[in-house]
Amino acid sequence: AQSVTQPDIHITVSEGASLELRCNYSYGATPYLFWYVQSPGQGLQLLLKYFSGDTLVQGIKGFEAEFKRSQSSFNLRKPSVHWSDAAEYFCAVNDNNNDMRFGAGTRLTVKP
Amino acid sequence: EAQVTQNPRYLITVTGKKLTVTCSQNMNHEYMSWYRQDPGLGLRQIYYSMNVEVTDKGDVPEGYKVSRKEKRNFPLILESPSPNQTSLYFCASSSFGLAADTQYFGPGTRLTVL
Repeated sequence: AQSVTQPDIHITVSEGASLELRCNYSYGATPYLFWYVQSPGQGLQLLLKYFSGDTLVQGIKGFEAEFKRSQSSFNLRKPSVHWSDAAEYFCAVNDNNNDMRFGAGTRLTVKP
Repeated sequence: EAQVTQNPRYLITVTGKKLTVTCSQNMNHEYMSWYRQDPGLGLRQIYYSMNVEVTDKGDVPEGYKVSRKEKRNFPLILESPSPNQTSLYFCASSSFGLAADTQYFGPGTRLTVL
C-alpha cells in the first residue's frame, strides 16, 4: 500500500533562513504528489502539486518542490522564510485511485 | 465566494448519541471527501464520493456513514459515537471526480465524544 513519510515532526528556522521539508513516499509507480499547508485553526490549502513533466514545481507563497524519482522524495523548499510561514505542512500522495494518503505533518516554527 | 462549509465547527457529545456533521460546497464539484486529523497521524480519509449516489470507503470508515443525495452536500453521520472518534474532521471537494485535482478544504469540525 502506498505510504507517505515526513521524517521531521517539528522544525525551527530563523526568519530569512532557507527551509527544506522532507517527504518520502512508497509506491511502485509515480503517484501524484502534493504539499498542503495548514495555518492554526484553519483548513488545508494547496501549495503545489506534481503530476508529470518538469521535476521542479513552483507553488504559491514562494515555495517550490523537487520530485526525485530515484529517492522517492518530494521535498519542499523556500529560499527565505517569513514569520507568516509558521504552520503545519503536509505532504500527500494519490495514485489516481481517488484515495489520498497524507503524511503525519511537519510543524514549522519561525524564530524572529 | 467559492467555499466549503462545515457545521457545526465545534461539538461535544456523549457516547452513543447519533450526530451528523454537514458539509456543503458551492463550486459544483463532483468529488467530495471526509478526513479525520489526529496528532502524529496526519489526515486519514474516511469516505469519499465521486458523484451523487456514488460513495466509497477510505482508510478509516469504521463507525461512520455518509450519503450523497445532492451534488453540493456530503454529510458525515456517526450513528453511535465513541470516544475514539474524538478528532478534528475536515471535508474537502475537488472538481473532476479525481483526488488528483486540487482539493478545497472546509474549516474543520472539532468533535469531542465523552
